[in-house]
Amino acid sequence: DGGITQSPKYLFRKEGQNVTLSCEQNLNHDAMYWYRQDPGQGLRLIYYSQIVNDFQKGDIAEGYSVSREKKESFPLTVTSAQKNPTAFYLCASSNDILGQSLLGYTFGSGTRLTVV
Amino acid sequence: GQNIDQPTEMTATEGAIVQINCTYQTSGFNGLFWYQQHAGEAPTFLSYNVLDGLEEKGRFSSFLSRSKGYSYLLLKELQMKDSASYLCAVRSRDNTDKLIFGTGTRLQVFP
Repeated sequence: DGGITQSPKYLFRKEGQNVTLSCEQNLNHDAMYWYRQDPGQGLRLIYYSQIVNDFQKGDIAEGYSVSREKKESFPLTVTSAQKNPTAFYLCASSNDILGQSLLGYTFGSGTRLTVV
Repeated sequence: GQNIDQPTEMTATEGAIVQINCTYQTSGFNGLFWYQQHAGEAPTFLSYNVLDGLEEKGRFSSFLSRSKGYSYLLLKELQMKDSASYLCAVRSRDNTDKLIFGTGTRLQVFP
C-alpha cells in the first residue's frame, strides 16, 4: 500500500544539538510539506517543496532546514538555532502542485520531538 | 493577513448532532478542507468544499458560504469514536496546494 512514513515516532534531543526527522512517501506525489503542531494551536507551515531540488520557506522556517534531493524524500533538520523545538511534527504530501487536488494532503503519522 | 477561526472545544452526547463552525479571512480562496485528528495521530481527510452549498458524506456533512467566509462541519448520530480534533484548512489561490490551518476544535463525545 502506498503511504507516507515518518520516523522516528518519538525523538529526544539535547539542547544545542541538530536533529533530522525523516519523511518518505511512495505515492509518487510531487509536493511535500512540513508542519509543526503545538498544543492548542493549529498546524503551522515550516517548509514546502513542489518539485525535486526546490523548496520554499513557510511561515515559521527560522531554525529549520530541508532538502529535496529525491521525489520520495523530504527530511527536516531542526537546528540548534530553533529556540523552542519541542513539538509534534507532521509531514504531508499531495499529488497536485497547482491547487487542484480534491483530497488535499496525505499525512504521515508524525514525530514527537522533545528537548531534554 | 490570513486568519482561520474555530471554537477551541466542544462537547456533545452520543447519538446527538453537533455543528463545528469555521470562519476564514485569507488572501484568495481555492477550497476548504476538513480533517479529523485523533490525539497523537495523523489528520485524516473528511471533506472538501470549493463551491457554495452542502456536501454530504454519510454521517458527516460540510457547508460552505464563500461570500461570508464561513463553513461548518455537521456530525450526526455521534459515536464515542468521533471524539477527536477537527481541523479546518483553507487553500489559497497562489497556484500551490498549500493549506492554511485553523487551530482545530477538540470534540468530546459523552455517553
